[in-house]
Amino acid sequence: DTEVTQTPKHLVMGMTNKKSLKCEQHMGHRAMYWYKQKAKKPPELMFVYSYEKLSINESVPSRFSPECPNSSLLNLHLHALQPEDSALYLCASSPSEGTQYFGPGTRLLVL
Amino acid sequence: SQQGEEDPQALSIQEGENATMNCSYKTSINNLQWYRQNSGRGLVHLILIRSNEREKHSGRLRVTLDTSKKSSSLLITASRAADTASYFCATALPSGGGGNKLTFGTGTQLKVEL
Repeated sequence: DTEVTQTPKHLVMGMTNKKSLKCEQHMGHRAMYWYKQKAKKPPELMFVYSYEKLSINESVPSRFSPECPNSSLLNLHLHALQPEDSALYLCASSPSEGTQYFGPGTRLLVL
Repeated sequence: SQQGEEDPQALSIQEGENATMNCSYKTSINNLQWYRQNSGRGLVHLILIRSNEREKHSGRLRVTLDTSKKSSSLLITASRAADTASYFCATALPSGGGGNKLTFGTGTQLKVEL
């Protein structure tokens, strides 16, 4: 299995909702990532997990809460988001340093 | 910010022609990677070139790296309509605890017309 899967593909939520994005990989990669991408812009790193521990938080607001329950799963919990948080959220994994493998993304719309 | 600049921002060519995209960055790197993205979906890794390498080939792709000028180029030869996509360079540094921190360039939108 050489792919990263993300669910859901699309998500619409209100500013008072709580939702979660899920990411899964079965390539044995020990590093996993969350990126945010606005339209016509490059992806921006949000979080890095290595060996199930958070190693980088790029000063992301606390309304985004990452979780790595095990080496194959990565979640991003969303609470009290703002309309400007609407974006494509991309998950990736890598075997430590080197190539990152990206999932197809979750397109999030905050109303 | 280490974010790289890519040029051109947009490139339109005819099928069969070559496409060249350039990337400049600001700080020292471990490696530089190129990714392709179709229609705002996931990114696909194309090629990785390490800081001690100067040129690398993969199929129709040729990447160069000049660390003294902090620049890289991606050449796609004999382009096809299916190459239409956005192309991003990304500079990589270790994240400290494992994994690596990618910083993406601004991207080049390539359109290959029949």
